[in-house]
Amino acid sequence: GEDVEQSLFLSVREGDSSVINCTYTDSSSTYLYWYKQEPGAGLQLLTYIFSNMDMKQDQRLTVLLNKKDKHLSLRIADTQTGDSAIYFCAESMRDSGYALNFGKGTSLLVTP
Amino acid sequence: DSGVTQTPKHLITATGQRVTLRCSPRSGDLSVYWYQQSLDQGLQFLIQYYNGEERAKGNILERFSAQQFPDLHSELNLSSLELGDSALYFCASSVMRGGADEQFFGPGTRLTVL
Repeated sequence: GEDVEQSLFLSVREGDSSVINCTYTDSSSTYLYWYKQEPGAGLQLLTYIFSNMDMKQDQRLTVLLNKKDKHLSLRIADTQTGDSAIYFCAESMRDSGYALNFGKGTSLLVTP
Repeated sequence: DSGVTQTPKHLITATGQRVTLRCSPRSGDLSVYWYQQSLDQGLQFLIQYYNGEERAKGNILERFSAQQFPDLHSELNLSSLELGDSALYFCASSVMRGGADEQFFGPGTRLTVL
């Protein structure tokens, strides 16, 4: 698929909020996903949002969607050192069933 | 633990060789996806099977093939290996929930081609 764009790196202090941004490509994507990957591990599904929603909140996670600009963001409130990981946004690829087209990932570093 | 298992965890082999990666989906999941993760290409979709049938194909090389067996486990076969095939290979199984296809990833197989 075409490129899903994410900034590569983000550093925040423990207790602050983190905002990870993503620009996706397919305006017909029905669902957009956020995954977390810790070192040496597989991808963990964090949350997802339906494309006709503007916002979804799930405990410390808030997803915002601007469909006009094809912009997705993930906000993590009260970020902890255990949140340090790589975060991937992904869109469903319309011409490949429900296969996911991933961004390159944002590496989040949380410092004490 | 996602419930998806992959074996082996690590595989080291030589150029020109052939390897088989195995994936067992979560109990009850009919769909299996294979993805490749490399430093230069990132995460790329390879192929999807649903209940034994190929459903979608992504950037899968002709040297690679996959199948899904009646017990729903899947195998990814990589042949005539090249240095550039060194990567992490993930499988994911999925369940439809309210219209979203929730994909759960295994821990991956790290392939090193020397």
